[in-house]
Amino acid sequence: SQTIHQWPATLVQPVGSPLSLECTVEGTSNPNLYWYRQAAGRGLQLLFYSIGIGQISSEVPQNLSASRPQDRQFILSSKKLLLSDSGFYLCACATWGGRTDTQYFGPGTRLTVL
Amino acid sequence: AQTVTQSQPEMSVQEAETVTLSCTYDTSESDYYLFWYKQPPSRQMILVIRQEAYKQQNATENRFSVNFQKAAKSFSLKISDSQLGDAAMYFCASLNAGGTSYGKLTFGQGTILTVHP
Repeated sequence: SQTIHQWPATLVQPVGSPLSLECTVEGTSNPNLYWYRQAAGRGLQLLFYSIGIGQISSEVPQNLSASRPQDRQFILSSKKLLLSDSGFYLCACATWGGRTDTQYFGPGTRLTVL
Repeated sequence: AQTVTQSQPEMSVQEAETVTLSCTYDTSESDYYLFWYKQPPSRQMILVIRQEAYKQQNATENRFSVNFQKAAKSFSLKISDSQLGDAAMYFCASLNAGGTSYGKLTFGQGTILTVHP
């Protein structure tokens, strides 16, 4: 089974500073990868997903971007953070197999923008 | 577009008792999957149970079971013999199986479950 790593676990950044969150996956190949944001401890909002290296789809227009430089690496970035970017960011991984596709989540990164 | 609705923002249960969390969904697809995820205070999302829509039999995982009513588009989670460790926020989610969905999950807003000793 796959293992998902995210770092950093916690980050405090000033408004206007850049951002780079990393997600790496072990134990699988060619996964679908996803970035979610959770604000105020409620529902998850899908930000980006990727079905392969260099293939990124954005779900919500915003201040963030994503990249997938390697098969099992997914990066969330920003050139200039906004206060509204604060939240809990979760990376998820799914591997299509048979008739099932289940997403497994990493431990998350708590981002506070001050 | 898919929607998932959890109408119970908060629920509570006594330890060792049974509790049911409600979820309704809306999709135009015929082939889809439904999930319950648990988010404890650590905030990591943990898969609790999965149901394939083409299966009539309700999924079970130890003390967790679902009541899947396809016609009513209802997918409730039953937790039996509740334990203190079950206290968490629970999310219902749906996923279309179609090739263009790319496995994108749609989540409900969550239900906070409190377990009283």
